[in-house]
Amino acid sequence: DAGVTQSPTHLIKTRGQQVTLRCSPKSGHDTVSWYQQALGQGPQFIFQYYEEEERQRGNFPDRFSGHQFPNYSSELNVNALLLGDSALYLCASRTGTTLVGDTQYFGPGTRLTVL
Amino acid sequence: QKEVEQDPGPLSVPEGAIVSLNCTYSNSAFQYFMWYRQYSRKGPELLMYTYSSGNKEDGRFTAQVDKSSKYISLFIRDSQPSDSATYLCAMSVSYTGNQFYFGTGTSLTVIP
Repeated sequence: DAGVTQSPTHLIKTRGQQVTLRCSPKSGHDTVSWYQQALGQGPQFIFQYYEEEERQRGNFPDRFSGHQFPNYSSELNVNALLLGDSALYLCASRTGTTLVGDTQYFGPGTRLTVL
Repeated sequence: QKEVEQDPGPLSVPEGAIVSLNCTYSNSAFQYFMWYRQYSRKGPELLMYTYSSGNKEDGRFTAQVDKSSKYISLFIRDSQPSDSATYLCAMSVSYTGNQFYFGTGTSLTVIP
């Protein structure tokens, strides 16, 4: 079992560009959440996808959008990149019925640098 | 004011020491409290989970929650160099835990 995988590992973009990050959930998981972790900060919830729909969203602008595919994999898209978007983007997966005490598995993250 | 406050450290202790990590929070609706460990260049992994107030022990780790003071703690006994990591507290309002609120993390180094 490969666990949660994310690609790419690192990415460098310039201001104003658009970026797409990808996540494959752990086998058997159908719910994917995305988090942004700035340097020296804790992860901040961006949104969660279940059954190919955005179920909940954190305090992030519309420049951040996502998608979930029928195989439960997910993409995070960020438009009009700002310097402040530089961060580690984490994907976490679980089953839709996972209770808070059960393990939500995190991937290793994608390090995005915006110049 | 941030919803979850955590002392970023860094914290450096000798091997075998007892480590105390703490978080405070402002949202009284939080009912579920987690501690995650994050090694460098890795995603966070769940260490401990507690519901409402009380203590929970798992091996060398003990989690405490004091809802009246809005204060949670993680104690690590007989600390090992392999415990060197960043420790994140996280909290949730709902039972299904769709949205976690994380602290900033405390960096811990255990010196052999």
